[in-house]
Amino acid sequence: EPEVTQTPSHQVTQMGQEVILRCVPISNHLYFYWYRQILGQKVEFLVSFYNNEISEKSEIFDDQFSVERPDGSNFTLKIRSTKLEDSAMYFCASSNRGGTEAFFGQGTRLTVV
Amino acid sequence: AQSVTQLGSHVSVSEGALVLLRCNYSSSVPPYLFWYVQYPNQGLQLLLKYTSAATLVKGINGFEAEFKKSETSFHLTKPSAHMSDAAEYFCAVSANNAGNMLTFGGGTRLMVKP
Repeated sequence: EPEVTQTPSHQVTQMGQEVILRCVPISNHLYFYWYRQILGQKVEFLVSFYNNEISEKSEIFDDQFSVERPDGSNFTLKIRSTKLEDSAMYFCASSNRGGTEAFFGQGTRLTVV
Repeated sequence: AQSVTQLGSHVSVSEGALVLLRCNYSSSVPPYLFWYVQYPNQGLQLLLKYTSAATLVKGINGFEAEFKKSETSFHLTKPSAHMSDAAEYFCAVSANNAGNMLTFGGGTRLMVKP
């Protein structure tokens, strides 16, 4: 069964460093998303991406964040200069069209120290 | 704008008992509604979805949910709990005219006692 895969499963980084979280969405999907879940809190939407551009983004997705689909298979989330409060589980998801269910990856746990 | 409220951050039931996890939503447009389950150290797995077809939706693992527009609710039920149902359950809503952005509830941790 096709699945969304995320790497790495756990990343530890120092405050101020750049991190790139990687995702391989399901191959025939067209919509891609990043969500995050701070420990003990709700899953929060960050950004959606369609047709090689951002289609929606939340207030959380500020200038420190960027997304890219560099090669037609990977979908990445970059945090330019990490802060302690960026520590969270980051989930990638994809769907084959808007309004249908999103399939989620296993998540990358980012720890900023 | 949409929002989701899940009443009860923790629910404990005995094995074999009825499971009822509550979800109320608000949406300015007709919604799509979803229930996801998260097992320990795993991602979010779709249990079921409502997308304006039948109001009673059946999902995986014996779960079902009923969309009640008058009550703005989408409660999740299962007639008989199994130990393997212990997990965190998330209700989510998206606007059916876009469907891109899911707004999640706070989650309900289901514990099943033997």
